[in-house]
Amino acid sequence: GQNIDQPTEMTATEGAIVQINCTYQTSGFNGLFWYQQHAGEAPTFLSYNVLDGLEEKGRFSSFLSRSKGYSYLLLKELQMKDSASYLCAVRGGYGGATNKLIFGTGTLLAVQP
Amino acid sequence: DAGVTQSPTHLIKTRGQHVTLRCSPISGHKSVSWYQQVLGQGPQFIFQYYEKEERGRGNFPDRFSARQFPNYSSELNVNALLLGDSALYLCASSLDRGTFGYTFGSGTRLTVV
Repeated sequence: GQNIDQPTEMTATEGAIVQINCTYQTSGFNGLFWYQQHAGEAPTFLSYNVLDGLEEKGRFSSFLSRSKGYSYLLLKELQMKDSASYLCAVRGGYGGATNKLIFGTGTLLAVQP
Repeated sequence: DAGVTQSPTHLIKTRGQHVTLRCSPISGHKSVSWYQQVLGQGPQFIFQYYEKEERGRGNFPDRFSARQFPNYSSELNVNALLLGDSALYLCASSLDRGTFGYTFGSGTRLTVV
């Protein structure tokens, strides 16, 4: 089966650091993506991991452990505009759909002053 | 450069009707994927088209169909609309089948009444 789990909601304070976890069980794996989605808008790309380890990109970092089926997104120096839903997505599948993205339900992050 | 363009942005239809949603990918991108996002959930894969051929299909009924045109734009058609088809329909553009990532359009918000 295909299963991606991430917390439904998180709250953090402006200027702080927050870590959003994602665990996955999928029939295929060809990389893991993190997207940010503000209400009513398109998901926007944040990061991509295909090998184990940490990828850093400004205030955002993402980590992957393929053996554990685990990833996290780390957001530093939180700003109010970071309030959004964060989607974890695995590229994979089976049969002809090996390049589809399988999404979790998203983590709604609220940044408070 | 224009991003991924979807039309219309909003649509209200009655149960049993048919709807056509349109997507123009980023210039130079040859693949379009369609996703359905129900409120509060992550996007669900519907179809992927690459070089005008269907390359993947998600777990959706035959009421859902799509095609890709020679200019790489795409249409998603849904017949015999049900209330449960109410969702945000997202189009994702990619250079190839997804090796270099995906860029999402802002979506079409479909409401079935």
